[in-house]
This record gives sequence, C-alpha cells and structure tokens, in this order.
Amino acid sequence: DQQVKQNSPSLSVQEGRISILNCDYTNSMFDYFLWYKKYPAEGPTFLISISSIKDKNEDGRFTVFLNKSAKHLSLHIVPSQPGDSAVYFCAASEMNYGGSQGNLIFGKGTKLSVKP
Amino acid sequence: KAGVTQTPRYLIKTRGQQVTLSCSPISGHRSVSWYQQTPGQGLQFLFEYFSETQRNKGNFPGRFSGRQFSNSRSEMNVSTLELGDSALYLCASSQQGTDTQYFGPGTRLTVL
Repeated sequence: DQQVKQNSPSLSVQEGRISILNCDYTNSMFDYFLWYKKYPAEGPTFLISISSIKDKNEDGRFTVFLNKSAKHLSLHIVPSQPGDSAVYFCAASEMNYGGSQGNLIFGKGTKLSVKP
Repeated sequence: KAGVTQTPRYLIKTRGQQVTLSCSPISGHRSVSWYQQTPGQGLQFLFEYFSETQRNKGNFPGRFSGRQFSNSRSEMNVSTLELGDSALYLCASSQQGTDTQYFGPGTRLTVL
C-alpha cells in the first residue's frame, strides 16, 4: 500500500510556463515533506521542504504548497526551464522520534520534460 | 562542504557473492540512511544509523545489513546476492535523521 502517491508518471510543459507536480499521502502522521529532483544514474538532489505547520514554502522559482486536510502537496516551478527536465520525487517523514527516524517514504516520481 | 560520497560507483557481482558498499556523510552529519532504487519499486528505505546505532530498519531480508563507524561513515553489506538485488543503492546523510536528507551519487550494483 503506497503511503505517498504521485499519480502522474510524466508531465510535459513549455519553457517559461508553470510546472505543477502533485503528490498525495495517506498517513496522517507525516509532518515533514520534501521534494527531490533526480537525473538518471545520480542521487536525488534536495529541492525544497515544508513542515506541517506551514501551508506554503518558497525558494526562488520553486514553491511547495501543503493542504493537510486533503493530504495533498504540490510543487510549482515558475518559470520552467529546459534544465528542470528530470524526475521529481515527493517524500514524507514523521518528524517525531516515535520510530520513523531517517525513514523517508518516497513517491514513484514524475518525469518532467520542459520543451524549449 | 563536500557532499555525500559513495564508493564504489559501479559494481558487478555474481549470484551468491557478497558485497560491501561505503558511504561518507557530509561533515557534521550523524545520521546515515540507505535506500534501494529499482525501476519497479522506486526508492525504498533499507535502514538508518545514528551515532553507530541502527535506529530504524525497512522491510528487507536479513541478507542486507549495515554498520556505522565513530566518524559517521557507514557501510552496507549484502550477502548471498540474488539477481533481484541489482539496483542503485543510495546513501543519504542528515544532522539528526528527521531533518532534510542529502543524497550521494549512489552505487550501481549489477548481479549476474
């Protein structure tokens, strides 16, 4: 049973437009969420995170929105650039020390293609 | 600061052999987590070490084991390799384990 779901395996966007990547989760104990970007044969690169006490976090062109009631988060990239083309993973964890230390639960990823 | 480093980057083994992978975390990070990435299962958590102690373990057989040294460097070992163990093995470090994890480039293991 997938606790973190990225229902769109791929997304294609024109350069300069907004890319919106979505992620849903089922475990209400998750309280820290991260987005990673990954190129083939490389490790994931951390992009941005958000804790459950916030509903928005912004870093340059990247903004993450969290809707706790819907158990949904999204990553907005504005404007999208061809160099953003990669696989994006959503991940979640429990911040407390109740037994989930160092255990990120990942979605299966969304492959973003930004066309020039 | 140097990032997370993993050695070797690529490895080819045959079924039944055993393998040891190494991970050096970012300086000052005390938590090291290991993940397995395969096309079918995505990124799956193996285990996490903090201050030389395994704090958490994923749902993998006992053939997968690890350890952490006093300098926070970590190794993972897979014994009696199976074809299905072919994967990208990723190591991630963080300061406390429950904060942001930073990943290394991974070790690509191929089992023939």
